[in-house]
Amino acid sequence: EDQVTQSPEALRLQEGESSSLNCSYTVSGLRGLFWYRQDPGKGPEFLFTLYSAGEEKEKERLKATLTKKESFLHITAPKPEDSATYLCAVPGIRGGGSNYKLTFGKGTLLTVNP
Amino acid sequence: GAGVSQSPSNKVTEKGKDVELRCDPISGHTALYWYRQSLGQGLEFLIYFQGNSAPDKSGLPSDRFSAERTGGSVSTLTIQRTQQEDSAVYLCASSLRKISYEQYFGPGTRLTVT
Repeated sequence: EDQVTQSPEALRLQEGESSSLNCSYTVSGLRGLFWYRQDPGKGPEFLFTLYSAGEEKEKERLKATLTKKESFLHITAPKPEDSATYLCAVPGIRGGGSNYKLTFGKGTLLTVNP
Repeated sequence: GAGVSQSPSNKVTEKGKDVELRCDPISGHTALYWYRQSLGQGLEFLIYFQGNSAPDKSGLPSDRFSAERTGGSVSTLTIQRTQQEDSAVYLCASSLRKISYEQYFGPGTRLTVT
């Protein structure tokens, strides 16, 4: 059973069309939720860390929010260069509580068409 | 500053041969991680090094996999008697353990076992 689930698996947007990506998780005592961006052929690039429900973080056209059950990555007026796979990760799910063991979702492949 | 580097970027090997993958973490980062990313799968934790502590090897899929970290810096992941199911992208990450658990990834090594 997946304990970090991302939806949708793939999302196509027109340039300027805002939308949101979802990451839901099942873990007690959340010790952080991480968002990464991964371009083809590259390693994941760190975007945000969220630690508590209600927390929000922003970077350019991206805003990440966190509730007790899920996180959203909002993309406002996206540009083609925002096209990438967006990954979320939660520590401590499969590591016996070890904070460093990140469990990743399978990602959302975002394509922004010009 | 310089990010995490990995070598080689691509490796093609024959089934049954041994391979070594190298990771050079960000200078000053005390924690080092290895992950595996298979096609259509999420990132899978393999092993964790922190300073001089014993590594957490709980994610290694079989005893054909081993890793070492010399001098608290460079790490080598060794796969013995490679199998076709070992084909994947192997990613290394490092972090400043005391400042959250944000992990910074290298570009990965794409391993193909023929």
